[in-house]
Amino acid sequence: GAVVSQHPSWVICKSGTSVKIECRSLDFQATTMFWYRQFPKQSLMLMATSNEGSKATYEQGVEKDKFLINHASLTLSTLTVTSAHPEDSSFYICSASRIAGVTGELFFGEGSRLTVL
Amino acid sequence: AQRVTQPEKLLSVFKGAPVELKCNYSYSGSPELFWYVQYSRQRLQLLLRHISRESIKGFTADLNKGETSFHLKKPFAQEEDSAMYYCALTAGNTGKLIFGQGTTLQVKP
Repeated sequence: GAVVSQHPSWVICKSGTSVKIECRSLDFQATTMFWYRQFPKQSLMLMATSNEGSKATYEQGVEKDKFLINHASLTLSTLTVTSAHPEDSSFYICSASRIAGVTGELFFGEGSRLTVL
Repeated sequence: AQRVTQPEKLLSVFKGAPVELKCNYSYSGSPELFWYVQYSRQRLQLLLRHISRESIKGFTADLNKGETSFHLKKPFAQEEDSAMYYCALTAGNTGKLIFGQGTTLQVKP
C-alpha cells in the first residue's frame, strides 16, 4: 500500500511550451502533497506544499506563476511548468502524506525528468 | 532557519565494517528527524524516524539535541546497504520535509 505514481516519467519539450506533471496516490487519500525539484547530484529542494481544495504554498524563491500547482482531489496533484526554458530542466518529484498517517512519513513518486530544448 | 547538513557526499566502506553517516541540523524548536534511503533505480523511502527509536535493517540513529545531530549508524555494513541516504527534518505541523544534501554509501565486497 501507499503507492504514489507520477506521469510522465520523462518528457522533452521545446522552449516556451508548458508541461503538466501528474502525481497520484493510488491506494490512499493524501491530505497533502509536496513537490520537490532535484538537480543532478544534489538534494531535493522543496518547491511547494499542495493541499486539496486550497492554494498551494510556495517556498521562498519559487515562482508560483511559473510552477502552477493544482490539487483537485485527495488523490491527484498536478504541477504545470509554464513557458518552460532550458533552466527548468530538472527532475521533479512529488510526495504525499496519508490522512492520519505517521507525521513526516512521505511516500514518494518515481519522479519526472523534464528536458527543455 | 531550518537546515540539514550532511557533510559527506560519499562514504565508502568494506563489507562488515561499521558505518556512520553524519547529519547535523539547525532548527530553533523541537524538530522531528528522519532518515530516508534511495536504492539504485528505486524511489525514496523512509528508513527510520527518531521518535520511534527503532532499528531498521540494522540501522539506528540517536537524536543528540546538544550537538544538534542525528547520525545514522550500523555496526556491520552489508553490500545491499549501498544507496543514497538523506537526513531530513520536519518542523511545525506543516508536514513538509527539509532534506540534507544526501550521502552515497558504497559498501565494497
